[in-house]
Amino acid sequence: GAGVSQTPSNKVTEKGKYVELRCDPISGHTALYWYRQSLGQGPEFLIYFQGTGAADDSGLPNDRFFAVRPEGSVSTLKIQRTERGDSAVYLCASSFWGTGPKTEAFFGQGTRLTVV
Amino acid sequence: DQQVKQNSPSLSVQEGRISILNCDYTNSMFDYFLWYKKYPAEGPTFLISISSIKDKNEDGRFTVFLNKSAKHLSLHIVPSQPGDSAVYFCAASVYNQGGKLIFGQGTELSVKP
Repeated sequence: GAGVSQTPSNKVTEKGKYVELRCDPISGHTALYWYRQSLGQGPEFLIYFQGTGAADDSGLPNDRFFAVRPEGSVSTLKIQRTERGDSAVYLCASSFWGTGPKTEAFFGQGTRLTVV
Repeated sequence: DQQVKQNSPSLSVQEGRISILNCDYTNSMFDYFLWYKKYPAEGPTFLISISSIKDKNEDGRFTVFLNKSAKHLSLHIVPSQPGDSAVYFCAASVYNQGGKLIFGQGTELSVKP
C-alpha cells in the first residue's frame, strides 16, 4: 500500500480480555517498529523487527505483550489479560533501516486501545 | 529516565514570525536526530533529520541545529504558517540499535493568523 496501515483504528475491550492489533508496513520495508503513546507523552518504543525476527523487544512492558511478524511483512501486536493501564494509542512504523543509508521511519495512524 | 526532553509543552507564535522548538538529550551515544510533526488522530510525520557529524540541516522553511557539546537541538520554522500548528516531537537514535527512536514529550505549536 501507499503507507503504513493499522487496523482497527479504534478498539474498546473489557479488562482481562485478549486483543490483537495489526500493522501492514510499506511494501519493501524490512524494519518494523511498535510504539505506544499515552496522553500527553511522546511515543514509547516497544519492539523492533528486522525481517521476521524481533531484533529488540526491550520496550515490551511485561510478558502480557507479544508481537510477531511471521513472513517479514504484516505484524501483529498481541496483548493478553488487558489492564486499564494498557489504554493508549499503539503506533506502528516501518523503514528501510539496515539495508543502506539511514532513513526515517514512516508511521501509521495508530490504533486507539481503550480498556474498560 | 527521560533521555530526550522537550521542556516546553506549548508554544504560540504569530503567523510570519519564527518558531523555535527546543530539545535536550542526555545520552551521548545518540548519533541521529529527527523531528516529527503530528496532527490529531494521525500518526507522526517525518519532518527533518540531522546526523551528529553535522551542526545544521536545512529544508525549505525548516532548519534543525545541533549543539553536541550542550546536548541540545532546535527546530526553526521561518516563516511560520497556520498550517504548521501541530505537536512536534524530537526523537533520537543510536545507529547500531536498528533505528529505534527515543522520543521527547512533544511541544504543541500554535501559529495564529
